[in-house]
Amino acid sequence: GAGVSQSPSNKVTEKGKDVELRCDPISGHTALYWYRQSLGQGLEFLIYFQGNSAPDKSGLPSDRFSAERTGGSVSTLTIQRTQQEDSAVYLCASSLGGTGPLNTIYFGEGSWLTVV
Amino acid sequence: DAKTTQPPSMDCAEGRAANLPCNHSTISGNEYVYWYRQIHSQGPQYIIHGLKNNETNEMASLIITEDRKSSTLILPHATLRDTAVYYCIVRVADTGRRALTFGSGTRLQVQP
Repeated sequence: GAGVSQSPSNKVTEKGKDVELRCDPISGHTALYWYRQSLGQGLEFLIYFQGNSAPDKSGLPSDRFSAERTGGSVSTLTIQRTQQEDSAVYLCASSLGGTGPLNTIYFGEGSWLTVV
Repeated sequence: DAKTTQPPSMDCAEGRAANLPCNHSTISGNEYVYWYRQIHSQGPQYIIHGLKNNETNEMASLIITEDRKSSTLILPHATLRDTAVYYCIVRVADTGRRALTFGSGTRLQVQP
């Protein structure tokens, strides 16, 4: 597609349930990133995928959070046993992963998660 | 990646130029300056980037000082839709190995 696509755009879930958030990066982009942003806060890096390399998981806040990227394209962020503090907008981004201008990162519109 | 310093907030009158400063005094030779903005409730949007020369595109101009220790993003004719948080990021652009690190940015309020 023309841009980074995320789904669902909004999700309300009960505390303790698992949720899956999906990201379709821009076609041809080898790098994919997940960030989250709590209300009124800055962007917090979660995880990064680059081609076939092992992902950089250094930003995942706990082992309840995991992410996969299948076939080098679509990614799914999974949050198990959701807690109220997980409520945030989850942003996916992608880039060509190359050098210089090719490294520009483009964001999707985010998935708003509310845990009640 | 080099640290950046931006004013927390700025106001600008609609139709006037908005000049947003960024200090990156520890920038190294292979680091680019990127600008993004985030309009309320939306994902961050890429605006412009540069290495050492001034750059211009359809959205904005980027002026980088000769010593590269600071830069200014210029929105030539600000509109109400330009109200957003603007992030200045300095980053090595060799590969996408590391994620962008966003600071607090500058909250630009365009006044009618």
